[in-house]
Amino acid sequence: SQQGEEDPQALSIQEGENATMNCSYKTSINNLQWYRQNSGRGLVHLILIRSNEREKHSGRLRVTLDTSKKSSSLLITASRAADTASYFCATDRRTSYDKVIFGPGTSLSVIP
Amino acid sequence: GAGVSQTPSNKVTEKGKYVELRCDPISGHTALYWYRQSLGQGPEFLIYFQGTGAADDSGLPNDRFFAVRPEGSVSTLKIQRTERGDSAVYLCASRLAGGAGGELFFGEGSRLTVL
Repeated sequence: SQQGEEDPQALSIQEGENATMNCSYKTSINNLQWYRQNSGRGLVHLILIRSNEREKHSGRLRVTLDTSKKSSSLLITASRAADTASYFCATDRRTSYDKVIFGPGTSLSVIP
Repeated sequence: GAGVSQTPSNKVTEKGKYVELRCDPISGHTALYWYRQSLGQGPEFLIYFQGTGAADDSGLPNDRFFAVRPEGSVSTLKIQRTERGDSAVYLCASRLAGGAGGELFFGEGSRLTVL
């Protein structure tokens, strides 16, 4: 069964707009990670946030984590057409922190 | 090598045949993961190795699936008596060590098509 669930499943925005994707999970975690996947390619790591962190930034990416609500969000600011991809959250669970579980993902389309 | 390497990149086989998929992780990475990804879905966990041993194989769907990592580096995912439902992209990932978390480095995947 999936640990994480992302919403929305699909998101279409205009270039220059911000994109927000959400992830919910069910069990306690050590950390949560976000990955990006271009069509037909492998996944690429974007950012990791630990369970004792609330917010993290990396370039145009901002990730928040609310462990009380078991949820995270990924914000991409000033989106570009090249940001078009699928985005997945993944969790390292506290009880089995070697087993990294992915959510179903959000498909983002950025229209030029 | 510089990254995680998976071979073959594409494999077409007939129902009932045996298939092997290979993963060569980043040198020095002791943790290795196999995932299966169907179209439009997230990666589904299959098995995780720490060194030579399978630390968690709870995601293997049935006993037709088996994976080995005999020397703690290259891993092979083996699928016996393939079925059409096994068609998917099989992804391999590695990371420095389990337990401490950290990012996974993925290969480009092996696309398996069972006719």
